[in-house]
Amino acid sequence: GAVVSQHPSRVICKSGTSVKIECRSLDFQATTMFWYRQFPKQSLMLMATSNEGSKATYEQGVEKDKFLINHASLTLSTLTVTSAHPEDSSFYICSARDRPGGRTPPLHFGNGTRLTVT
Amino acid sequence: GQQLNQSPQSMFIQEGEDVSMNCTSSSIFNTWLWYKQDPGEGPVLLIALYKAGELTSNGRLTAQFGITRKDSFLNISASIPSDVGIYFCAGHLSLVGRGGSNYKLTFGKGTLLTVNP
Repeated sequence: GAVVSQHPSRVICKSGTSVKIECRSLDFQATTMFWYRQFPKQSLMLMATSNEGSKATYEQGVEKDKFLINHASLTLSTLTVTSAHPEDSSFYICSARDRPGGRTPPLHFGNGTRLTVT
Repeated sequence: GQQLNQSPQSMFIQEGEDVSMNCTSSSIFNTWLWYKQDPGEGPVLLIALYKAGELTSNGRLTAQFGITRKDSFLNISASIPSDVGIYFCAGHLSLVGRGGSNYKLTFGKGTLLTVNP
């Protein structure tokens, strides 16, 4: 089945630095990838939709200048948390859609990245 | 926007018991998905439902897409310790012409399942 890989699985950074998280589709081409954030004991909240070759679409309340998304190829999307602060500490998860066109949603998620900002 | 109510919030059961959890929505979906998430990992798809009234099984798991398109349930039969985790429902409504944003999922808040051996 479709596999989505995230890297790194865990990262600790100092406040004010930037962190890049990668999301790769391993055995399929993903024209659209999605980035979620999950706080402890809460559900997944969509941050942005990443479209290959075009600008990402951000959800209301998500700062696009803080969470930079690049989807430069059909198998890779990156999320960069710029000038990270402790409140950015969270679990970041990506998902990817493996079917071009059609009406079905993306089904497969990466294993997540635990970001801790000290 | 669309909201999903998932219940129960948590369950504590004995090994071997059956479990049922459900999600209801304030509006219709045309796809319902059920995921399981273990600590520190991403959600893993358990069952996908694409048609109102559809009843689908995956081993000991059974899920149904409600006729009204506003609800879905997941049953787990004969629970085992490895069933422990958080179960999420997710709904999707495809909208013509919305492009990439057409594929957004709305998640329930999750059901934490604990199975006592």
